[in-house]
Amino acid sequence: EAQVTQNPRYLITVTGKKLTVTCSQNMNHEYMSWYRQDPGLGLRQIYYSMNVEVTDKGDVPEGYKVSRKEKRNFPLILESPSPNQTSLYFCASSLGAGEWQYFGPGTRLTVT
Amino acid sequence: KNEVEQSPQNLTAQEGEFITINCSYSVGISALHWLQQHPGGGIVSLFMLSSGKKKHGRLIATINIQEKHSSLHITASHPRDSAVYICAVPTGANNLFFGTGTRLTVIP
Repeated sequence: EAQVTQNPRYLITVTGKKLTVTCSQNMNHEYMSWYRQDPGLGLRQIYYSMNVEVTDKGDVPEGYKVSRKEKRNFPLILESPSPNQTSLYFCASSLGAGEWQYFGPGTRLTVT
Repeated sequence: KNEVEQSPQNLTAQEGEFITINCSYSVGISALHWLQQHPGGGIVSLFMLSSGKKKHGRLIATINIQEKHSSLHITASHPRDSAVYICAVPTGANNLFFGTGTRLTVIP
């Protein structure tokens, strides 16, 4: 079954404690991206990757890092989380940036 | 940068009603996406279209490229259609810009 998986689904953490949200897809897609969703706002892109070792900033990259060492995985790293990073995060993959999007189930992060 | 406006923001309908959700954008595009976000939070792609009309079950999506407008129609609405419907358009070469969504509630 074609899918994008994210872990964890829910996370409560404290300010400054480094965390990683994993994302994996099994469709051999080249394009992957991370979004955050906040009340009243549309999905906003954090980072995207066009292929292995090719990543770039989206609209709201501050406070986040990513890596793309393998085609299937695209982890999101918060080196020093802050309360304003409390949000719902989605990973997505597709054949290309404007192509049909496959979304992960979401990770609800709370930073206290 | 492309701007996207969806209307209405909220919509309540009786089961069986015909529903229309609208999306307008400001810059010419190659294709527009419609997505559905379930009450539990998960997002699924419904349509990607660049012209004309597409149909999947009770859902129909139309687009008018000249008028920079798309509509999502739901025929014979059902409570299980209750969700947030989001349109998205390309912005630049590398990402999508998402509307804030239309929250649909279908009452039995």
